[in-house]
Amino acid sequence: KAGVTQTPRYLIKTRGQQVTLSCSPISGHRSVSWYQQTPGQGLQFLFEYFSETQRNKGNFPGRFSGRQFSNSRSEMNVSTLELGDSALYLCASSPPDGPGSTDTQYFGPGTRLTVL
Amino acid sequence: GQQLNQSPQSMFIQEGEDVSMNCTSSSIFNTWLWYKQDPGEGPVLLIALYKAGELTSNGRLTAQFGITRKDSFLNISASIPSDVGIYFCAGQRSGGSNYKLTFGKGTLLTVNP
Repeated sequence: KAGVTQTPRYLIKTRGQQVTLSCSPISGHRSVSWYQQTPGQGLQFLFEYFSETQRNKGNFPGRFSGRQFSNSRSEMNVSTLELGDSALYLCASSPPDGPGSTDTQYFGPGTRLTVL
Repeated sequence: GQQLNQSPQSMFIQEGEDVSMNCTSSSIFNTWLWYKQDPGEGPVLLIALYKAGELTSNGRLTAQFGITRKDSFLNISASIPSDVGIYFCAGQRSGGSNYKLTFGKGTLLTVNP
């Protein structure tokens, strides 16, 4: 079974631009979570989608948004990029075992975003 | 937001030595997870713990869920060079559809052959 895939793997943007990152979960998984990883702050939860609905949200500004499609693929968008948005963006998918079953969150390789 | 205190931040050990790292929190978690991240890759789940006091092994790795539900530790026995990487603890609170994981800042492990 293929793992979580993320595209692109690397991205360079300039301040003020916007960016869209894509995540394809493991086949059959319906929950997709997004995290931002930086050396200073570590792994920070952005949001989680389940069945095309945002179910949980972290403490990030409204410039960070996401969506999920009917095939469970997810995208996240960052508008008006700032230098501090440079980070590794990770998505993770979970199998449809119902509430509380985060124990098997599988991560993708991440998208390395650099904002110049 | 909620943070987990993970220590040590880094460790330099000789091949064959045992390693211990831990995470503490001011809040209770219902699930503790331990992940390992290699350079350029996403975190890989090593061990999941669901009950206070639970002790679980995965090969040379052993992890425990603290009795107070506010801490967890991970031990690696007889370390080998491929153990090099960053180890993260993560906690989750139950309740409804809360899937959010809170991560520690990681322990960077270096193993000298």
